[in-house]
Amino acid sequence: EAGVVQSPRYKIIEKKQPVAFWCNPISGHNTLYWYLQNLGQGPELLIRYENEEAVDDSQLPKDRFSAERLKGVDSTLKIQPAELGDSAVYLCASSLDRWLAGGNNTGELFFGEGSRLTVL
Amino acid sequence: EDQVTQSPEALRLQEGESSSLNCSYTVSGLRGLFWYRQDPGKGPEFLFTLYSAGEEKEKERLKATLTKKESFLHITAPKPEDSATYLCAVFGRTYKYIFGTGTRLKVLA
Repeated sequence: EAGVVQSPRYKIIEKKQPVAFWCNPISGHNTLYWYLQNLGQGPELLIRYENEEAVDDSQLPKDRFSAERLKGVDSTLKIQPAELGDSAVYLCASSLDRWLAGGNNTGELFFGEGSRLTVL
Repeated sequence: EDQVTQSPEALRLQEGESSSLNCSYTVSGLRGLFWYRQDPGKGPEFLFTLYSAGEEKEKERLKATLTKKESFLHITAPKPEDSATYLCAVFGRTYKYIFGTGTRLKVLA
């Protein structure tokens, strides 16, 4: 079974330039997450989708960040314009239906390998 | 506010030297506590879910335990390939995964 696929793996841009990251979740996973991970920190949620709907975007800096999930499958995260402080790893994750304790659903997140952004 | 604190920040062990990593948490309505392993340049990889105090899970040299305030990840006779960052996360009534900052483990041969 293919895992979560992200691209590009690495991106170096000048400040004020735009950048976009793409994520293809595991087939059948209706929930998709974008996380930000700074060096030495844990992942922090940017946005969560359930199917096509962004159900939690409270931590997304909407002045420069945008995201979409067309047809409830692939997702794109965009930054425009990028700032120096945006240098980080952007992780995409997917999971099965909304978290349910017990049963066969362990509630685990399946992460991609991440997209490392460097803003110069 | 849900919160996770992991200690120590970094740990160096000799191969075969057992130890424990700590995850202290406060959460409203715990539904699950998670342990992940993250290798450099990779995304986190799931290890365990613990649902309630008193529960234990084991996988090879790793054993996770849970109380009402903290979780421990015990590593027995570690090997160099166990070197990684170990992340703890909680999921509660807010329906958000809250991650700690991780413990960087280095096992020396």
